[in-house]
Amino acid sequence: DTGVSQNPRHKITKRGQNVTFRCDPISEHNRLYWYRQTLGQGPEFLTYFQNEAQLEKSRLLSDRFSAERPKGSFSTLEIQRTEQGDSAMYLCASSLLLSEAFFGQGTRLTVV
Amino acid sequence: AQTVTQSQPEMSVQEAETVTLSCTYDTSESDYYLFWYKQPPSRQMILVIRQEAYKQQNATENRFSVNFQKAAKSFSLKISDSQLGDAAMYFCAHAGGTSYGKLTFGQGTILTVHP
Repeated sequence: DTGVSQNPRHKITKRGQNVTFRCDPISEHNRLYWYRQTLGQGPEFLTYFQNEAQLEKSRLLSDRFSAERPKGSFSTLEIQRTEQGDSAMYLCASSLLLSEAFFGQGTRLTVV
Repeated sequence: AQTVTQSQPEMSVQEAETVTLSCTYDTSESDYYLFWYKQPPSRQMILVIRQEAYKQQNATENRFSVNFQKAAKSFSLKISDSQLGDAAMYFCAHAGGTSYGKLTFGQGTILTVHP
């Protein structure tokens, strides 16, 4: 297992388009987290799953954002009708129930 | 709600010297964990060290150690014998007792290591 994998690494999209990111966690990890990080800032929590259940969503996660984790394995984060303010690094992390989070390398989104 | 504050946007240190990065936090939870993560340029976030709030003893991992002052809500990171590879953005983070992975991060401190 090579760790948390995120695809794509970079995405450039036009304003108004929909985008989807994928995260493959470490295989035995039952918790999966999404964060957003803007340049020069710390990551901000968006949402997390335990197995396939989405347990918590931040108020930062507007109605244009949706996340899924079918079958409790990989997860997708979709942003509909992208806006320039959505430009950021989107980080995924995974963990066991009571262990520290391991992060992926992130997907950098640029909305033009 | 939790908040984490790192008041040093940038720090620098000479190779082989010691540097301390500061962090303060606020939380209403009695059971929580504190972490320092390292994020090298264009690379993934890596856990450096963690501290359980119920433990009085300060955590140590090789050249990295923390000074955890629970009453003052302070959690500083000391890097001894600094190496060029330590250069990165360092984030202090807090997690509540039910999940290590739901983190509240500080703004980060950029550490530069001079040869």
